[in-house]
Amino acid sequence: AQRVTQPEKLLSVFKGAPVELKCNYSYSGSPELFWYVQYSRQRLQLLLRHISRESIKGFTADLNKGETSFHLKKPFAQEEDSAMYYCALSTGGTSYGKLTFGQGTILTVHP
Amino acid sequence: GAVVSQHPSWVICKSGTSVKIECRSLDFQATTMFWYRQFPKQSLMLMATSNEGSKATYEQGVEKDKFLINHASLTLSTLTVTSAHPEDSSFYICSARQGVPNEQFFGPGTRLTVL
Repeated sequence: AQRVTQPEKLLSVFKGAPVELKCNYSYSGSPELFWYVQYSRQRLQLLLRHISRESIKGFTADLNKGETSFHLKKPFAQEEDSAMYYCALSTGGTSYGKLTFGQGTILTVHP
Repeated sequence: GAVVSQHPSWVICKSGTSVKIECRSLDFQATTMFWYRQFPKQSLMLMATSNEGSKATYEQGVEKDKFLINHASLTLSTLTVTSAHPEDSSFYICSARQGVPNEQFFGPGTRLTVL
């Protein structure tokens, strides 16, 4: 079975500092990886997906199949980036579309 | 676009009663809807996958007689918690998927408290 691990439950940085939220996965096939963000009192929303290879709100994430990682990075954190971040994995076949979520990382960006 | 609503947003009920939660895709047709459960300060756990016009598929450990799912149309799925007990108290979140691309849009969640 697939698994997503986010080793850091809490991450604090100062405004302007680089930030990296770690995500590791285990899956024997070719997964689709996502990062979702949940701002305070808001619903979960897609931040980015590995297949689109785009940068959203300054965040990027590269799928490293060798290390089975999909870490989320931003060179200069902003206070408005404070939120809960979830890494998620989707597999193919009969489970296509189902998401397996990591435990989440609460990012706090201090002024 | 791609808005998903849930109703109610918060419900309190007595132990032994049943509660129905609705999930609607407001501006698109959802081929598939998913139901998740989230405990405080924990991640989302997939409960079941709901496809319009067919029976829902439940994840291992989820009682299908306890959590009844109906997907009557391409814009509506309902989750009924039958004979609710305090341990069913949780945050229930639905999501809807258009199909292509593989992207889910999440509802705001429903807080269920069983007394």
